[in-house]
Amino acid sequence: DGGITQSPKYLFRKEGQNVTLSCEQNLNHDAMYWYRQDPGQGLRLIYYSQIVNDFQKGDIAEGYSVSREKKESFPLTVTSAQKNPTAFYLCASRGGGRIYAGELFFGEGSRLTVL
Amino acid sequence: AQTVTQSQPEMSVQEAETVTLSCTYDTSESNYYLFWYKQPPSRQMILVIRQEAYKQQNATENRFSVNFQKAAKSFSLKISDSQLGDTAMYFCAFEGQAGGTSYGKLTFGQGTILTVHP
Repeated sequence: DGGITQSPKYLFRKEGQNVTLSCEQNLNHDAMYWYRQDPGQGLRLIYYSQIVNDFQKGDIAEGYSVSREKKESFPLTVTSAQKNPTAFYLCASRGGGRIYAGELFFGEGSRLTVL
Repeated sequence: AQTVTQSQPEMSVQEAETVTLSCTYDTSESNYYLFWYKQPPSRQMILVIRQEAYKQQNATENRFSVNFQKAAKSFSLKISDSQLGDTAMYFCAFEGQAGGTSYGKLTFGQGTILTVHP
């Protein structure tokens, strides 16, 4: 089935460690996104990519990094510089090009807990 | 910058009844889209309904409809004949179109937890 796969679903990290969250899609979508979800704050955009080998910072990019070497993959690294990394992370993708405000397809999310 | 406000942290409704979730937004853009997304307890977020700002007619998808008041910058979601499967967190979201281009940069509200009781 087509969709977005995020892994791992749960991740525990010690302070000072970098961790990488995986996001893979087989929907042939050009655009991919990373959102952070915190209770009472909704979703906030971390990074987004409209095309392979190109990505832009979202509203809360500090302490995070991404890469987009393949159309299907958009991994997110939470670095030790992120001061409050404990959160639920959602990856999404969208097709249709830049003039189409269509549906975002989301993965099931990854919950990161810093110990 | 755009802001999206959902003033109802939690709502509840009896099965088969109607419930309305509120959403207001603030923007200076003239072209934009508004969305309602649903996040069930399983956590995978899905699109419920979408409204183009240039369309005066309110969007409808089966039991889900919106009341879009552009001048008041209000975008409420009405769920008719509520079902147990409607229990979820609902997010209102805004996407501006600068120069006719969408980048998928959505601004989300804080969410409303809806519980449907049998």
